[in-house]
Amino acid sequence: RKEVEQDPGPFNVPEGATVAFNCTYSNSASQSFFWYRQDCRKEPKLLMSVYSSGNEDGRFTAQLNRASQYISLLIRDSKLSDSATYLCVVNGRANNLFFGTGTRLTVIP
Amino acid sequence: EAGVAQSPRYKIIEKRQSVAFWCNPISGHATLYWYQQILGQGPKLLIQFQNNGVVDDSQLPKDRFSAERLKGVDSTLKIQPAKLEDSAVYLCASSFLQTTEAFFGQGTRLTVV
Repeated sequence: RKEVEQDPGPFNVPEGATVAFNCTYSNSASQSFFWYRQDCRKEPKLLMSVYSSGNEDGRFTAQLNRASQYISLLIRDSKLSDSATYLCVVNGRANNLFFGTGTRLTVIP
Repeated sequence: EAGVAQSPRYKIIEKRQSVAFWCNPISGHATLYWYQQILGQGPKLLIQFQNNGVVDDSQLPKDRFSAERLKGVDSTLKIQPAKLEDSAVYLCASSFLQTTEAFFGQGTRLTVV
C-alpha cells in the first residue's frame, strides 16, 4: 500500500466554485501533514500545514481525520490563479516526507 | 534568506553516461532530501539525510544511484550509468527538523537520450 494516496483528478471547476481534495495515508503514527502547491514546471511550495483541530487560511481550509487516516483541502471561491497541482504530504515511518501523486486543478473563467 | 540552491538547472546526456547534481540547502537545515519527479507524478523520495547520516535510502536504486552529504551541508546525487527512464526532474529539499515543512530548490531537469 502506498504511504499517501490522493484523488486522481483532474478537477475542472468554474471561477467562484468550491472544490475539495482528499488524501489518505497508511501510517497511523504519522504526525506531520501538509498541502503543497506545484505550478507547471515549478518546484512544490508549501500551501499550508494541517493541524489536528483543522485550520483555515483565507479561502483554504485543511482538515485532518486521524481515525480514518485522511486529510482534506477545501478551496472556496476558486480563482483562476488557484489552477495548479495540489500535493498531499505526510511524514512516514522514518520521519521522512512522502508525497501523493498530486491532484490537478484547473479553474475555468 | 537564501533558498535551496541546485545546479545544473538542465542536463541532457546519452544513456549509459554519468551525471551529477549538486544541492546547497538552506543554512541551518539539518535534513536534506532528494526527490525524483517524473512528468505527471508526485515527487518520489530517493534519499533523506539527517546532517551527514542517511535516514532513508530504501527507494534509491543503489546499483546506479549514489548520494553523499559529507560535511552535513552540501549534497551531490550521482547516476552512473543513466537509463532512459531516469529522465525526470531531480528536486532537492531541506527542512529544519525531520517533521517540519520542506523547502525545495528549483530542480534539475534531466533528459536521457
